[in-house]
Amino acid sequence: DAKTTQPPSMDCAEGRAANLPCNHSTISGNEYVYWYRQIHSQGPQYIIHGLKNNETNEMASLIITEDRKSSTLILPHATLRDTAVYYCIVRPTNTGTASKLTFGTGTRLQVTL
Amino acid sequence: EAGVAQSPRYKIIEKRQSVAFWCNPISGHATLYWYQQILGQGPKLLIQFQNNGVVDDSQLPKDRFSAERLKGVDSTLKIQPAKLEDSAVYLCASSQTKQYFGPGTRLTVT
Repeated sequence: DAKTTQPPSMDCAEGRAANLPCNHSTISGNEYVYWYRQIHSQGPQYIIHGLKNNETNEMASLIITEDRKSSTLILPHATLRDTAVYYCIVRPTNTGTASKLTFGTGTRLQVTL
Repeated sequence: EAGVAQSPRYKIIEKRQSVAFWCNPISGHATLYWYQQILGQGPKLLIQFQNNGVVDDSQLPKDRFSAERLKGVDSTLKIQPAKLEDSAVYLCASSQTKQYFGPGTRLTVT
């Protein structure tokens, strides 16, 4: 079972910031928060991941609360090409069978003009 | 860098027929995964390989599904015989640390 809770859908105007929330209240100390997205008819694409600290890369920023029970993915200037299903996943740091990704149903982000 | 390649992209078969999917991972990636994604759901892991050995096949319906990765590179996933509920997108992914996904094979069983 997925260990995260996300809203099923969100809308965002093009050019505005998209803030996608995720609850992971049962996260363990050795588990990372990963974000993937899946554009229609494509495979999932890695966006960003973090453990405790906030992270930023060329695609997005990840804000993790101090208690690590929730996080927010921020797309600073959403474009129409960001329309996709966004998955928040918690995953242990060790390898082997724990390296698999357990997907929930994600948040469907619709970016509009 | 070339991504994960999969073929075919689309396949339509009748129930009780057999079908095979092929995956070529990113060069140097030791870990390979097959996921099944039913419409409206997130991907679900079917099998995970480390080189040519199976790490996790707990969710693979072994009475009809089989997979192999003989030389630790390419992999094939087979379904025999197919059922209507096998209609889905079959995704292959490979990783060293982050997982990279192929475009998937959309299977329709009629």
